[in-house]
Amino acid sequence: GAGVSQSPRYKVAKRGQDVALRCDPISGHVSLFWYQQALGQGPEFLTYFQNEAQLDKSGLPSDRFFAERPEGSVSTLKIQRTQQEDSAVYLCASSLATSGGAGTQYFGPGTRLLVL
Amino acid sequence: AQSVTQLGSHVSVSEGALVLLRCNYSSSVPPYLFWYVQYPNQGLQLLLKYTTGATLVKGINGFEAEFKKSETSFHLTKPSAHMSDAAEYFCAVSKANFGNEKLTFGTGTRLTIIP
Repeated sequence: GAGVSQSPRYKVAKRGQDVALRCDPISGHVSLFWYQQALGQGPEFLTYFQNEAQLDKSGLPSDRFFAERPEGSVSTLKIQRTQQEDSAVYLCASSLATSGGAGTQYFGPGTRLLVL
Repeated sequence: AQSVTQLGSHVSVSEGALVLLRCNYSSSVPPYLFWYVQYPNQGLQLLLKYTTGATLVKGINGFEAEFKKSETSFHLTKPSAHMSDAAEYFCAVSKANFGNEKLTFGTGTRLTIIP
């Protein structure tokens, strides 16, 4: 079956522009996560959705970052007024688990964002 | 708070040799532990995970890892390296939190296989 897909795969933005990154999770997966991976680093947690509810946004680095999942499926990560330090790969992952049970997270290929 | 330390950002082994990638974790509660592999320009793929039960966990592509609570370690091994194993490997920890099993990753180890 289809895995997690993300679009666009690459995005170049001028500093100050707004960007929107899309994630299509695996069908039926309740949990959705966004991570940010800087060059040469491991992914870092940004935010978590259970269906349409954003239950944890503790990892969002600033109020310029906003995520939504209005119908409990597709999610969008929006970054307003992009800065150079926002340059990174943004990874989306989905999971079937709804309760503590270490459900496997399936990752998309990521969106590589470069802010000039 | 949870954290993961991966010793050695770069590891090189000869084809056919033992692969050993080290991971130590810190967690205030019994952890769930994971190893993911990342190939260039691709997302992360789960190699194996430990939740409860048997401490020696077998994964895909011949990899295995052993959870050692006394050493707070979860090292990844493979008896014989193959050229296709060249990739970046990430160790990660999470805790049961009613669905929010957000992962805390280490900084990764790049594995190079020498022909």
